Amino acid sequence: GAVVSQHPSRVICKSGTSVKIECRSLDFQATTMFWYRQFPKQSLMLMATSNEGSKATYEQGVEKDKFLINHASLTLSTLTVTSAHPEDSSFYICSARFANSDRDTNYGYTFGSGTRLTVV
Amino acid sequence: GNSVTQMEGPVTLSEEAFLTINCTYTATGYPSLFWYVQYPGEGLQLLLKATKADDKGSNKGFEATYRKETTSFHLEKGSVQVSDSAVYFCALKGTGRRALTFGSGTRLQVQP
Repeated sequence: GAVVSQHPSRVICKSGTSVKIECRSLDFQATTMFWYRQFPKQSLMLMATSNEGSKATYEQGVEKDKFLINHASLTLSTLTVTSAHPEDSSFYICSARFANSDRDTNYGYTFGSGTRLTVV
Repeated sequence: GNSVTQMEGPVTLSEEAFLTINCTYTATGYPSLFWYVQYPGEGLQLLLKATKADDKGSNKGFEATYRKETTSFHLEKGSVQVSDSAVYFCALKGTGRRALTFGSGTRLQVQP
């Protein structure tokens, strides 16, 4: 259970165009999703927290007008990279929080398989 | 704020060698601690977790003990396999924070 499907897995786009990445929770309702960016050989940096039905909360230094996040339903969150530039090339990973049956913790976290974005 | 520090990689071991990947953290309150593994081209998978001091998380031969006195959560495995080659991330969930905070990751390469 608690599977997150992320698409596309790879995308190449031209500089100046926009790219949309989708993240779907397949067997649970995700009221909260997280979007991370991972630079080569580096850690995951939290970009924003996406809340169903409300505006996303962005981390300091992340341009909200460039990285548009929409969480219109309990099973779908999207990240749109607008007017992409080569420096936006990265690995983007979504994560969803789900109710956990484990009594030690109320919530678990599951991750999408990531999207490799290359802007040329 | 919360932070996680991991030993730099890559760590290169021969098959059946003993593995230790160090992880220390800074957090207020009582965080939950995690180890995630990332295989090439894939997302992260939870390897193990611990939610309170002295808890030991274990899975697939990997172990880590939550040491509050040393603020550490070192990952160990007694005998690594080639299939363990991956990047390992230490992470924490702090009190009052919904998202996880990750360390920089440690690449493990196991040679036959």
